Amino acid sequence: SQQGEEDPQALSIQEGENATMNCSYKTSINNLQWYRQNSGRGLVHLILIRSNEREKHSGRLRVTLDTSKKSSSLLITASRAADTASYFCATGKYGGSQGNLIFGKGTKLSVKP
Amino acid sequence: DVKVTQSSRYLVKRTGEKVFLECVQDMDHENMFWYRQDPGLGLRLIYFSYDVKMKEKGDIPEGYSVSREKKERFSLILESASTNQTSMYLCASSLSRRSNEKLFFGSGTQLSVL
Repeated sequence: SQQGEEDPQALSIQEGENATMNCSYKTSINNLQWYRQNSGRGLVHLILIRSNEREKHSGRLRVTLDTSKKSSSLLITASRAADTASYFCATGKYGGSQGNLIFGKGTKLSVKP
Repeated sequence: DVKVTQSSRYLVKRTGEKVFLECVQDMDHENMFWYRQDPGLGLRLIYFSYDVKMKEKGDIPEGYSVSREKKERFSLILESASTNQTSMYLCASSLSRRSNEKLFFGSGTQLSVL
């Protein structure tokens, strides 16, 4: 069963705007990760946030984690056309199999120049 | 940078054929994974391995097998390909047996079974 569920399924914005994607999950986790996938390619790891962290930054990316609500958000600031991609959250289940991440279905982001 | 290489970018096979998808990583990672990705279904784990000759079933192992004879290579085998196995196949690796490390993905193999 799917652990992480992203919202919205699709998002279309103008270049320069901020993009926010959300992820909800069901069970206790030890970390939550965000990945990007350009069309027809493999996934690229963006950022990992551990269950004892609340916020993390990497360049134009900001990730928050609320374990009480079992949710996370990914904010991309000052978006660029090159940010057009699908974004996936993945959760590492607490006590789960070694290295076994469960992925959501993704948010498809389109940034128009 | 870690490199995960999948042997084919596109593959077209006939129903009933035996299909091998190969994946090689160059950074001495312990864990390796095979996922398939389908529109509307996201990524689903087929098999993973955390050591040579070790394998564990993921969520959808039926119709697939795997082989890990060397640490750097993880092969996915479709014993008798069927049309419902048409999909994008993604190989990934992670460093160690510590739970839930970040994954490094290959570029994917788009398999069509006719």
